[in-house]
Amino acid sequence: DVKVTQSSRYLVKRTGEKVFLECVQDMDHENMFWYRQDPGLGLRLIYFSYDVKMKEKGDIPEGYSVSREKKERFSLILESASTNQTSMYLCASSSPGAGGESFYGYTFGSGTRLTVV
Amino acid sequence: GNSVTQMEGPVTLSEEAFLTINCTYTATGYPSLFWYVQYPGEGLQLLLKATKADDKGSNKGFEATYRKETTSFHLEKGSVQVSDSAVYFCALNTNAGKSTFGDGTTLTVKP
Repeated sequence: DVKVTQSSRYLVKRTGEKVFLECVQDMDHENMFWYRQDPGLGLRLIYFSYDVKMKEKGDIPEGYSVSREKKERFSLILESASTNQTSMYLCASSSPGAGGESFYGYTFGSGTRLTVV
Repeated sequence: GNSVTQMEGPVTLSEEAFLTINCTYTATGYPSLFWYVQYPGEGLQLLLKATKADDKGSNKGFEATYRKETTSFHLEKGSVQVSDSAVYFCALNTNAGKSTFGDGTTLTVKP
């Protein structure tokens, strides 16, 4: 069964800590994405990557960075965690590029609920 | 730019009721359209998709038809169950590889 695995389901960190959220996929997908999900705000794209060592800013990249050293792994980094980064974080992957019959949609991980205190 | 608008929730239905969740979109080019479902405490799962006008996607009793003339992709189910309680997201994808999601609609089905 193909999947996207996020390393932690629940995480509690202190303000100012550097936080790493890990995501691994076993589908050989080129594209990987990080979203955060907050009540009433839907899904907001933080960063995405179309290839190894490549990254693009999404809609809300401030306070975050990412790393993609291997195709299967996409890490989200909170450089100095703040309470307003308390959220559900969702990782997703997809097959590359175009729509049409060849695009099967995103596969999501189960999410990491991060609390910053 | 691309956008997706879903009907606002929450939606509360009794078991065996008919479900419609409205979704309309704005897109450049010819998007593929998707419905995802998120059960409590989980990530999103792909529910169904349609890749061109007049296509009907279907899965687990849910259906949605790609209507280009009304730029819509409404989700329907004839008889909902308590286990269908979840958040439903409409989404579109064009050639950029990045999907655009609606804000989600929460469905609660009561026995």
